[in-house]
Amino acid sequence: EAQVTQNPRYLITVTGKKLTVTCSQNMNHEYMSWYRQDPGLGLRQIYYSMNVEVTDKGDVPEGYKVSRKEKRNFPLILESPSPNQTSLYFCASSIGRQSSYEQYFGPGTRLTVT
Amino acid sequence: RKEVEQDPGPFNVPEGATVAFNCTYSNSASQSFFWYRQDCRKEPKLLMSVYSSGNEDGRFTAQLNRASQYISLLIRDSKLSDSATYLCVVTPGADSWGKLQFGAGTQVVVTP
Repeated sequence: EAQVTQNPRYLITVTGKKLTVTCSQNMNHEYMSWYRQDPGLGLRQIYYSMNVEVTDKGDVPEGYKVSRKEKRNFPLILESPSPNQTSLYFCASSIGRQSSYEQYFGPGTRLTVT
Repeated sequence: RKEVEQDPGPFNVPEGATVAFNCTYSNSASQSFFWYRQDCRKEPKLLMSVYSSGNEDGRFTAQLNRASQYISLLIRDSKLSDSATYLCVVTPGADSWGKLQFGAGTQVVVTP
């Protein structure tokens, strides 16, 4: 089954404790992206990757890191999480190297930072 | 001002009625436009792309007005299953091929 998977789905952590949210897709997609969704603000793009070893900042990259060492994986790293990073996070992928193709989203990760 | 703006709603629609709503975007160089559907904080899913000539998919019709910088979505013969949040999505332009901008969503509630 073609899908985007994220782990963990739910995470409660404390300020400053490094964490990684994994994202994996099995569709051989070139493009992958991370978003956060907050009430009233919609989805905001954190980072995106148009190919292996190619990553770039979205609109809200502060406090996050990403890497794209393999085509299928695009982990999101929070080196020192803070409460303002409490949010619902979505990973997405698409077939093209640009954002102008249909995005397939993972199920989301609910992160709470206390 | 937000790059992509939507009326948050909710739009309360009787079953069988027609509902329409717009999304405005600020960047005149925006290239691609989409409507996504999101159910109750689940993952968004593509509803339809929006072409310059407008397009229709069953009960759904999308239009693009470049001069006034908005896109619209019309739902005919609303079903209970159409209750969802509809997200307007825009790609900023040729200098931002990887970026994607979302509106905050318009909530539609279809009532029996």
